[in-house]
Amino acid sequence: QVTLNESGPVLVRPTETLTLTCTVSGFSLHHARMGVSWIRQPPGKPLEWLAHISSNEEKSYRPSLKSRLTISRDTSKSQVVLTMTNMGPVDTATYYCARRISKGPNGDHDSNDFWGQGTLVTVSS
Amino acid sequence: DIQLTQSPSSLSASVGDRVTITCRASQGISTYLNWYLQKVGKAPKLLIYASSSVQSGVPLRFSGSGSGTHFTLIISSLQAEDFGTYYCQQTSTTPHTFGQGTKLEIK
Repeated sequence: QVTLNESGPVLVRPTETLTLTCTVSGFSLHHARMGVSWIRQPPGKPLEWLAHISSNEEKSYRPSLKSRLTISRDTSKSQVVLTMTNMGPVDTATYYCARRISKGPNGDHDSNDFWGQGTLVTVSS
Repeated sequence: DIQLTQSPSSLSASVGDRVTITCRASQGISTYLNWYLQKVGKAPKLLIYASSSVQSGVPLRFSGSGSGTHFTLIISSLQAEDFGTYYCQQTSTTPHTFGQGTKLEIK
């Protein structure tokens, strides 16, 4: 059974750094066709893709946030960590981690097939 | 970034209706297009991947089609549990952008 579980602070002060952890089970972070994505959703707004890390540790970031984001993993703990620096009120959102899987024609079509329940992070002084 | 525009932004339909939602990409993305359904307070659920492949466990009343810049999600016979917000997502290039969503209400 594949599960993902986000953990981290519910309240962050402006200018602080947010650290979120995604603990996965039911699949390996080493699997060639799998990885983990981070996606967020401000209240009442659409989904926003932030970053992902692949099985070979290849990393991709949302260009507009690249200077503030770092994604990393600890395979011994089955965890993927996202840090976001210099948090501001506009970063208030529910943050999701999701498994990224490559399948479909040629096995190169990515999708997020399993998601965590999400964690609401509020940025406020 | 590739922009995805969904239409309509919202719609109301009755059980048994055929529902069509469209997603247009700002540039060609081949078939690198996914569809998700999100219910209030819940994580999105993958429905369709690679434009037309139905995710395991998803009812076959859901179908997808399209290539390039124009994509369609069809619900052949709407059920009460299909209400929520539908999102398309492109995975042709990073960032893997989402559409703005289509809110589906059941009459």
